[in-house]
Amino acid sequence: DTEVTQTPKHLVMGMTNKKSLKCEQHMGHRAMYWYKQKAKKPPELMFVYSYEKLSINESVPSRFSPECPNSSLLNLHLHALQPEDSALYLCASSPLGGSREQFFGPGTRLTVL
Amino acid sequence: GENVEQHPSTLSVQEGDSAVIKCTYSDSASNYFPWYKQELGKGPQLIIDIRSNVGEKKDQRIAVTLNKTAKHFSLHITETQPEDSAVYFCAASMWHWNSGGSNYKLTFGKGTLLTVNP
Repeated sequence: DTEVTQTPKHLVMGMTNKKSLKCEQHMGHRAMYWYKQKAKKPPELMFVYSYEKLSINESVPSRFSPECPNSSLLNLHLHALQPEDSALYLCASSPLGGSREQFFGPGTRLTVL
Repeated sequence: GENVEQHPSTLSVQEGDSAVIKCTYSDSASNYFPWYKQELGKGPQLIIDIRSNVGEKKDQRIAVTLNKTAKHFSLHITETQPEDSAVYFCAASMWHWNSGGSNYKLTFGKGTLLTVNP
């Protein structure tokens, strides 16, 4: 299995809702990432987990809360989002050690009303 | 921190022509340079990469060159086809340390919209 899967594909939520995005990989990778991508822009790094521990937090607002329950799963919990948080949220994974390729999932298209 | 500049922002070619996209990076500590292709509504797909100890790498119609001295790297696509139409991102990666641990961190260029006209 050489892919990163993300659910849901699309999500519409109100500013008072709580929702979660999910990401899964079965490539044995020990690093997992959350990126945010606005239209016509490159992905922006939000969080990095290495060996299930938060390694990089790019000063993301606390309304985004990451969780890495195990080496194959990555969640992003959303609460009290703003309309400007509407974007494509991408998950990626990579091996740690010699190889550095990052493999991206298809993303979750989030719309905040 | 690292800064990656990418040019051009848009590129239109005729089918069968070659396409070249160029990137420059600022931090000499960067040592891994991947290229991603992103089609509309999809996640970025890694198409080729190069490490700092290599000057050129080729995979069928795609090649990447790296000039460490000048801190620039380029993507070359030959015999372009309409299905090559997409946004292409270059990136630079370096080892990143902080109190939470260490990891490779990618810095992306702004992207190039490539259109291949039949």
